Amino acid sequence: KAGVTQTPRYLIKTRGQQVTLSCSPISGHRSVSWYQQTPGQGLQFLFEYFSETQRNKGNFPGRFSGRQFSNSRSEMNVSTLELGDSALYLCASSLATPGYSPLHFGNGTRLTVT
Amino acid sequence: KNEVEQSPQNLTAQEGEFITINCSYSVGISALHWLQQHPGGGIVSLFMLSSGKKKHGRLIATINIQEKHSSLHITASHPRDSAVYICAVRSTGNQFYFGTGTSLTVIP
Repeated sequence: KAGVTQTPRYLIKTRGQQVTLSCSPISGHRSVSWYQQTPGQGLQFLFEYFSETQRNKGNFPGRFSGRQFSNSRSEMNVSTLELGDSALYLCASSLATPGYSPLHFGNGTRLTVT
Repeated sequence: KNEVEQSPQNLTAQEGEFITINCSYSVGISALHWLQQHPGGGIVSLFMLSSGKKKHGRLIATINIQEKHSSLHITASHPRDSAVYICAVRSTGNQFYFGTGTSLTVIP
């Protein structure tokens, strides 16, 4: 069974640009959540989707957005990039009710903003 | 104040030693996760707990809901256990909070 796939693995963008990251969950998983990891702040929760609906959102500005498609694949978008957005972005999928089943993480997308 | 506190931050052990990593949290939770992260970034979920104790191979995780405390134990540690271990909680308000991680190095 294929794991969680995140694309691209690496990305370099310029301040002010926007970026879209993709996450394909494990087949059959309906929940996808997104996280940001930085050396200074550690792991932080961005948002969570279940059956195409955003179930909850972390404490990030509106420049961070996401969506989930009917096949459970998810994208997150960051607009007007800032230097501080440089981070490892991880997504995780789970089988059913969000947060009540184990999380399966992708390998992440490492975003560098210059 | 961090909602999740882990200790120790860094841990060095000799191969074969028994290891304990602690996690305390301040919010009401629906579940607690123990995660393992190797260099390069990949994260593996080790346990998800809402009560009691779970065991998988040499790893044991316990949680005390009343005391808002969880421990991860590694018996007979091995160099391949070297990684960062992260405690995460899903709050009853449906937010995820993460500890800052415990960096474990097991020396042969």
